[in-house]
Amino acid sequence: QVQLQQWGARLLKPSETLSLTCAVYGGSLSGYYWNWIRQPPGKGLEWIGEINHGGSTNYNPSLKSRVTISIDTSKNQFSLKLNSVTAADTAVYYCARTICSGGSCYQIFNYWGQGTLVTVSS
Amino acid sequence: DIQMTQSPSTLSASVGDRVIITCRASQSISNWLAWYQQKPGKAPKLLIYKASSLESGVPSRFSGSGSGTEFTLTISSLQPDDFATYYCQQYNSYSVTFGGGTKVEIK
Repeated sequence: QVQLQQWGARLLKPSETLSLTCAVYGGSLSGYYWNWIRQPPGKGLEWIGEINHGGSTNYNPSLKSRVTISIDTSKNQFSLKLNSVTAADTAVYYCARTICSGGSCYQIFNYWGQGTLVTVSS
Repeated sequence: DIQMTQSPSTLSASVGDRVIITCRASQSISNWLAWYQQKPGKAPKLLIYKASSLESGVPSRFSGSGSGTEFTLTISSLQPDDFATYYCQQYNSYSVTFGGGTKVEIK
């Protein structure tokens, strides 16, 4: 059974860099896209971006200038960095895996991390 | 970006009720639509993909329909475990987007 476990700093000051890591247990990074999704308190979901085993990335255009997603295949982990954070970046951040079948991947998410609440406050 | 609009934003219902949630896309997304259920403090759970395909392990009282720009999620007989918030999500474009959510409350 695939499990995603995430961690990272939970309290940041404005202008700092958010950094989160997601470890994948019970499965390989290969053959899937690995995503970050966030949810401000009491609000809806926003897709941040994705990476595959080979390091190919796609980002939400609204966040692209501040986001970097990377992958470490030796540790079976992938990471999110979001720079120059403001209070608007306060949210629960989730890592998640896409569904892949028959050689095709679809940006729908059937495995999720537990979520990390990151608060940006001076 | 493709905008996804859900209605209603809140729905009050009783156990045993038939519940219908609507999701509208700002442009055609064919049938590239998924539905999720989220409970407080938990990650979303995938219920439906490709507009009407039931994810493995999801009870058959959940069903989805629609194509193009109009979609619905139906719960045929609401159960106590179904009180939650539901989100639609389009994956027609690589920059996926979610609806604003529909909270199903106890009447």
